[in-house]
Amino acid sequence: EIVLTQSPDFQSVTPKEKVTITCRANQSIGSSLHWYQQKPDQSPMLLIKYASQSISGVPSRFTGSGSGTDFTLTINSLEAEDAAAYYCHQSSSFPLTFGGGTKVEIK
Amino acid sequence: EVQLVHSGGGLVQPGGSLRLSCAASGFTFSAYWMTWVRQAPGKGLEWVANIKQDGSEKYYVDSVKGRFTISRDNANNSLYLQMNSLRAEDTAVYYCARVWWLQDPFDFWGQGTLVTVSS
Repeated sequence: EIVLTQSPDFQSVTPKEKVTITCRANQSIGSSLHWYQQKPDQSPMLLIKYASQSISGVPSRFTGSGSGTDFTLTINSLEAEDAAAYYCHQSSSFPLTFGGGTKVEIK
Repeated sequence: EVQLVHSGGGLVQPGGSLRLSCAASGFTFSAYWMTWVRQAPGKGLEWVANIKQDGSEKYYVDSVKGRFTISRDNANNSLYLQMNSLRAEDTAVYYCARVWWLQDPFDFWGQGTLVTVSS
């Protein structure tokens, strides 16, 4: 099973700051890594697919990078509406797995 | 507008059964793989099962194999999850989501339905 380890677990950030969330896989998954945002009491929403591909309708301040085992989600110039939990997800092999999540709080 | 509307959640005793439904609209349901993902209260996301467009292929997480069955009815644009031998650890919000192909990301999610397993 592919284990995804996210860090940090929690981050408290001031608006307009840059946020970096990492996701590390315990074996290579190529680019089969996706990022989701889940706001409080809402369903998850796809933010980035295949490590770095943007999604229509998602603000351009959300970008992804990485391949193999190390991946990064970057939020440039954080806005108040970005307060949420962020999850990485690998689709390289079954069972499909998610990272433990990173909660981003706005100071 | 793409919509995935859940029904069927609720309170059930340990060992009991429940069937979740997810009604799809706003897209060609039969063209997509579909998936179930769950989230225990205050916890992260856990993939549960995937089903192919025609229902001929199904994949499950080990913890539900033999107890849960994913199925679909393309004529009625509906996805199902039959859950038997339920355990306390199955307590979660269950989400259905759309998948373009087997190992693509989940590009649209329903609002979820809460299943509580408790005596």
